[in-house]
Amino acid sequence: IQLTQSPSSLSASVGDRVTITCRASQDISSYLVWYQQKPGKAPKLLIYAASTLQSGVPSRFSGSGSGTDFTLTISSLQPEDFATYSCQQVNSYPLTFGGGTKVEIK
Amino acid sequence: QVQLQESGPGLVKPSETLSLTCTVSGGSLSSFSWNWLRQPPGKAVEWIGNVYYSGHTNYNPSLKRRVTVSIDPSKNHFSLKLNSVTAADTAVYYCARALSTSRWAPLGYWGQGTLVTVSS
Repeated sequence: IQLTQSPSSLSASVGDRVTITCRASQDISSYLVWYQQKPGKAPKLLIYAASTLQSGVPSRFSGSGSGTDFTLTISSLQPEDFATYSCQQVNSYPLTFGGGTKVEIK
Repeated sequence: QVQLQESGPGLVKPSETLSLTCTVSGGSLSSFSWNWLRQPPGKAVEWIGNVYYSGHTNYNPSLKRRVTVSIDPSKNHFSLKLNSVTAADTAVYYCARALSTSRWAPLGYWGQGTLVTVSS
């Protein structure tokens, strides 16, 4: 299953609302995960089951979608949110990841 | 708190076998899926395969003929072997554990990653 993220990068300012999309090549129900990755670090789990916030993740992060189209939203971008965001499908093997969206400071 | 730590050579020669171990602390190897992933410089994460306590494995078809993932509960670690490596296998390699025992669980615990370079 291929996952296509858009955009591949974006520039935004602190306080902006940011939306990242992930499209699956086939129906994956709600088995979609979002990770945040900072340079030199392992991915960090943000959201699973498309919309369930992982414990300890700020509520400004939210996820939505089902089937083939999914969205990650950051309601008010904070300085620590500048990172790369990736989606992953866990519906079926092989597990696959999107290409990532790099969120940069404007 | 579960912690994972990758270990193994940082440099492997072309055509040889890449071998890594992931040591788990703060928990046992039972119940969850234990995964290997990699990320070439500047590229997306790629899932390599996983293993369960029972020894059952799943592999990425793109790597299946070259990969073996195994588990050793007595040592609280699991391992990756990738044979016949080329420069295209140069990447940061991560081990990770599923967040829960659900078949559709996300990867909730990750090692810090280890860079493996394939070069003569």
